[in-house]
Amino acid sequence: RKEVEQDPGPFNVPEGATVAFNCTYSNSASQSFFWYRQDCRKEPKLLMSVYSSGNEDGRFTAQLNRASQYISLLIRDSKLSDSATYLCVVNMGPNDYKLSFGAGTTVTVRA
Amino acid sequence: EAQVTQNPRYLITVTGKKLTVTCSQNMNHEYMSWYRQDPGLGLRQIYYSMNVEVTDKGDVPEGYKVSRKEKRNFPLILESPSPNQTSLYFCASRAGLAGADTQYFGPGTRLTVL
Repeated sequence: RKEVEQDPGPFNVPEGATVAFNCTYSNSASQSFFWYRQDCRKEPKLLMSVYSSGNEDGRFTAQLNRASQYISLLIRDSKLSDSATYLCVVNMGPNDYKLSFGAGTTVTVRA
Repeated sequence: EAQVTQNPRYLITVTGKKLTVTCSQNMNHEYMSWYRQDPGLGLRQIYYSMNVEVTDKGDVPEGYKVSRKEKRNFPLILESPSPNQTSLYFCASRAGLAGADTQYFGPGTRLTVL
């Protein structure tokens, strides 16, 4: 079983729509969770960290479900510029500095 | 400007010809990593370094070497490249060992081994 798994998509949505997708992780001791954004084979960039209580950053909402071991990302009022691949990133344990990456979920927002 | 730089950005080479991809960061970060990214597999860690002269294997170290003689530089060495090392490579750094620290990536090196 992969350490971090994501639905690869693609999710094709019209501008203004809401899109949401999940990521599951295998290690119940995982401590830190992130969403990174990657544009067309460029370098990944941090979109947001995911906190236990859930958090928002503008149109983006991240949630963590420790019981079911998944995190989610929701994008409201999608813009063309949101088209990208979203990488789920998990720190694999309290004494582990390694980050594990999902293969990414591709989102395409159409006009 | 805080950044991670890599060179070259693109490289086409032949099997067996030694090559080095340089990586440098100007943020005084302790932790640096090399990843390769292949379709459908996500980023996989090749090697990492926790500080000067401290390096260790990641998930896919075979065929690669690294060194960390200075804090800012972390070159990736392919002594005898093979076609299965054709990939997109990213260098990354972060301030400390805490998993919560933000990781910064270089722009990537697209390597083709013929």
